[in-house]
Amino acid sequence: NAGVTQTPKFQVLKTGQSMTLQCAQDMNHNSMYWYRQDPGMGLRLIYYSASEGTTDKGEVPNGYNVSRLNKREFSLRLESAAPSQTSVYFCASSPVGVGYNEQFFGPGTRLTVL
Amino acid sequence: RKEVEQDPGPFNVPEGATVAFNCTYSNSASQSFFWYRQDCRKEPKLLMSVYSSGNEDGRFTAQLNRASQYISLLIRDSKLSDSATYLCVAHLGSAGKSTFGDGTTLTVKP
Repeated sequence: NAGVTQTPKFQVLKTGQSMTLQCAQDMNHNSMYWYRQDPGMGLRLIYYSASEGTTDKGEVPNGYNVSRLNKREFSLRLESAAPSQTSVYFCASSPVGVGYNEQFFGPGTRLTVL
Repeated sequence: RKEVEQDPGPFNVPEGATVAFNCTYSNSASQSFFWYRQDCRKEPKLLMSVYSSGNEDGRFTAQLNRASQYISLLIRDSKLSDSATYLCVAHLGSAGKSTFGDGTTLTVKP
């Protein structure tokens, strides 16, 4: 049981390049999330998907797009990377229902934009 | 004002000490609350959920005061292995979004 997996683990981009961060979970969870974490700060929600086929903006969605490909996979795309997007990106998933909102996190993707 | 605010820390305590972290949230519609632990450069992991009645898990006790919109975490008999960053989380809705505090760093020293 792998839980939540993320690829790649590390990435260096030049300003203006694009890339997609991949996330997959094998726990049959309905909800999935993308966060970014800057040094010394907590996690900020970029986008989330309450269920397959739906996505919603979080606190910091600008510069990102997401796709909930199926129940297992939720990808995050940077169309034109900027140095301000240098961060650690975490994907998470959780079951649906009040009282069942523990989130399980992937190991993170460390992204540097030059 | 941030939606979830935590003690800035850092907390540096000797082994065996008792330490308490506080957290306040501004959105009264928040429904569920959690404490996560995050080790350096790793993913957050759930430490415990927080209930109005208070809950205890070994050396850890969490309390929620909805009237004051306040959450606390008490760690008794601190161990070296408790050194980490502790994140307070308020969750909105059954499948909605979570808001994380910036975290409080704890260092337990021999």
